[in-house]
Amino acid sequence: DAKTTQPPSMDCAEGRAANLPCNHSTISGNEYVYWYRQIHSQGPQYIIHGLKNNETNEMASLIITEDRKSSTLILPHATLRDTAVYYCIVRVDSGNTPLVFGKGTRLSVIA
Amino acid sequence: KAGVTQTPRYLIKTRGQQVTLSCSPISGHRSVSWYQQTPGQGLQFLFEYFSETQRNKGNFPGRFSGRQFSNSRSEMNVSTLELGDSALYLCASRHGNFGDRPNNEQFFGPGTRLTVL
Repeated sequence: DAKTTQPPSMDCAEGRAANLPCNHSTISGNEYVYWYRQIHSQGPQYIIHGLKNNETNEMASLIITEDRKSSTLILPHATLRDTAVYYCIVRVDSGNTPLVFGKGTRLSVIA
Repeated sequence: KAGVTQTPRYLIKTRGQQVTLSCSPISGHRSVSWYQQTPGQGLQFLFEYFSETQRNKGNFPGRFSGRQFSNSRSEMNVSTLELGDSALYLCASRHGNFGDRPNNEQFFGPGTRLTVL
């Protein structure tokens, strides 16, 4: 079973920041937080991951709370093309560990 | 660098038939994983292959099988198809040989949509 809890859906105005929350209260010390997204009819796409420090790349920022029990994915300037289902996944970053997807958050970016 | 490719993209079969799906990973990637996506169950892990060996397996019946070739290309087979096997089958590749290194993310293909009638 997925070890994360996400809201089923969110809306965001185009051009505004989208903040997607994720709860992972049972996370272990060696588990990373991963984010993937799936645009309709496509395969999931890796966005970002982190262990305990905040991370930023060209797509998004990941903010992890100090106790690591929750995190927030931030899309700084959402566009219509960011409309997708976003999955938060907790995972031991081992070569033998598959991704366990929950139901994710369906983000709708509105013009 | 070309992405993960899957063939065919769409497939229609009838109950009782068998089907083989193909996946070509990103060049240099030695690990290939397969996932099934349905509206009811979401994305579920089927199995992973690394260097022609199955390294991990999800909770699916034995009708679902796979293999990997020496060039890292992979196939999955479903025998005795059931209506519930209708799904999007996704393949993902990654380097796979970095152990615990964090930069080992998976890259997904577009999927094969299988419809069983």
